[in-house]
Amino acid sequence: QVVLTQSPSASASLGASVNLTCTLSSAHSSYSIAWHQQQPEKGPRYLMKVNSDGSHSKGDGIPDRFSGSSSGAERYLTISSLQSDDEADYYCQTWATNIWVFGGGTKLTVL
Amino acid sequence: QVQLQESGPRLVKPSETLSLTCTVSGYSITNYYWGWIRQPPGKGLEWVGSISPRGTTYYSPSLRSRVTLSLDTSKNQFSLRLTSVTAADTAVYFCVKIYGSGSYFDSWGRGTLITVSS
Repeated sequence: QVVLTQSPSASASLGASVNLTCTLSSAHSSYSIAWHQQQPEKGPRYLMKVNSDGSHSKGDGIPDRFSGSSSGAERYLTISSLQSDDEADYYCQTWATNIWVFGGGTKLTVL
Repeated sequence: QVQLQESGPRLVKPSETLSLTCTVSGYSITNYYWGWIRQPPGKGLEWVGSISPRGTTYYSPSLRSRVTLSLDTSKNQFSLRLTSVTAADTAVYFCVKIYGSGSYFDSWGRGTLITVSS
């Protein structure tokens, strides 16, 4: 069964850049994933889909500061020019035959 | 732009059945896949189940014995039933639209907190 692994926490300074990582189980390293952002006390929103070749497609209204990339079984979310409202939980998500899976989420703190 | 709104009783007694409805605006439910996600207080997101536009259902292995999803095309709604609930089922429940023929969740409802308590 496909498993997604995320670091529980990350931090970066206001105005800096940060890379968040989502690692697919080795047997599923070619899978695409999606990134979702959940700001405090809000519901999640879809950010982007990231494919194994590094291409990505963003949701409506997602700023250019957000981008995605891939390397092997790892899928990345890069946020540049960090703003205070980027402080949130970030979840990766994938799908396979008859099943949908989330990673455990990364809590991003903007210092 | 799709809009999703969850509705249903906010308090459910242990051993009883949780029932939620998601009302969809802006898209016909007969053209897309739909799903339910839940989030216990202070915890991460958990996929509950998904349903195809033809009504084929897919359930989380950990909930399969207790969960049922259904479509009501006349009202453009889809629903969740979870039987024999316990305190562990206390969570915010989100309904979602699924992109394409069943891939990522591209639109989310605001969510509704369901508490299981006597």
